[in-house]
Order: sequence, then C-alpha cells, then structure tokens
Amino acid sequence: KAGVTQTPRYLIKTRGQQVTLSCSPISGHRSVSWYQQTPGQGLQFLFEYFSETQRNKGNFPGRFSGRQFSNSRSEMNVSTLELGDSALYLCASSGTTGVATEAFFGQGTRLTVV
Amino acid sequence: AQTVTQSQPEMSVQEAETVTLSCTYDTSESDYYLFWYKQPPSRQMILVIRQEAYKQQNATENRFSVNFQKAAKSFSLKISDSQLGDAAMYFCAYCALYGGATNKLIFGTGTLLAVQP
Repeated sequence: KAGVTQTPRYLIKTRGQQVTLSCSPISGHRSVSWYQQTPGQGLQFLFEYFSETQRNKGNFPGRFSGRQFSNSRSEMNVSTLELGDSALYLCASSGTTGVATEAFFGQGTRLTVV
Repeated sequence: AQTVTQSQPEMSVQEAETVTLSCTYDTSESDYYLFWYKQPPSRQMILVIRQEAYKQQNATENRFSVNFQKAAKSFSLKISDSQLGDAAMYFCAYCALYGGATNKLIFGTGTLLAVQP
C-alpha cells in the first residue's frame, strides 16, 4: 500500500508570490490534515478535510487555504507569500471512518520564501 | 484550549539503556487520544505509540511503553534497550474526540533524543 505522497518536496518562492502544495493520502483514507512546522512555532495545525469538506481549521490567516477533491487528494494554497511562511509543510492522512485514529504523515514539502 | 507540554528539550541515553520522555497536557475533554511521534532527520513523522484515554491499561509497542496518568494529565514514553536508530525528535500529541470525528493533532514542542554508542 502506497504511503502519503506530498509534492513537490522542495520549493523556493519569492515574497508576494503564491504557492500550491499537493498531498495524496493513503488509498481509502478520507481525512487529510495539514501542518506547518517551523523552528520557532513548532508543529501547528492548519486545517483538516474530510470527504471534500473542511472539518476543522487552525489559527492561520486567510492567505492559507485548502481543498480536497473527490479522490481525497488535497491541495494547500498560500497566497501573497511572506518570509515567515518558510516552513516544512506536512500532510497527514487518517482512517476511513473519520474517528480519530493514528495519522500517517507524508515526507513534507520544504518551502523557502526569499 | 488544549495544550501539550514537553519540558525536556533534549535527552541523552546510552545504547541498550532505558530512557523516559515526559509529556503533560491540559484538556477539559474526557475522551481523547494521546500519541508519541518520532521525527528522524528525514523529517517524516512516524507513529510510535497511541493511547486511548478511556483505556486504563498503558499501551506498549515492543520496546516502547507509556505511563498514562489521566488524573495527573501525564503521558510519558519509556524506551527500553535503546538503539542508535531511536535517535530522533520525539513529539507528544493530543487529539480530542468530540462529536465523534476529528483528527486535529496538538503537538508538544518536542524532545531531541540522542543515543550514545
């Protein structure tokens, strides 16, 4: 069974640009969550999608948005990039029932904003 | 709001020895899950062990076990017979179970474990 796939693995963007990150969950999983990891703030929850609906949202500005497709693949978009958006973005795929289970993480996308 | 605290930024253990990583959390919920995740230099988060709050029995997974004290809101991880491959950042995480469905993980700040040969 393939794991969680995040693309791209590395990304360099210029301040003010926008970026889209992709996450393909484990086959059959309907929940996809996104996390931002930085040395200063640690791991912070961005949002969760379940069956194409945003079910939970963290405390991030509206520049951060996401969506989930019918095949459960999810994309995360950050508009008007700021230097502080430089981080490792992790995607987690969870269970088939929607009840809290262990989350399987992808290898992350390392975003650098210059 | 729920919070997770890991008070040990760094720990060190000799190979084959035992080490305990500490974690405390704060919540007013009665139903929740607790997790320990390992993040090696590859940066991929790997689940080490999981504990359901309604289960009084401490979870074990091979060399990894937890000491779950619900009243004290404490959830420590014990690694026995430490191996070089155990060297990593360890994160304690909390996940509430309200409304029957959520997967929002709240992480602690992590403990960097070094294993000395």
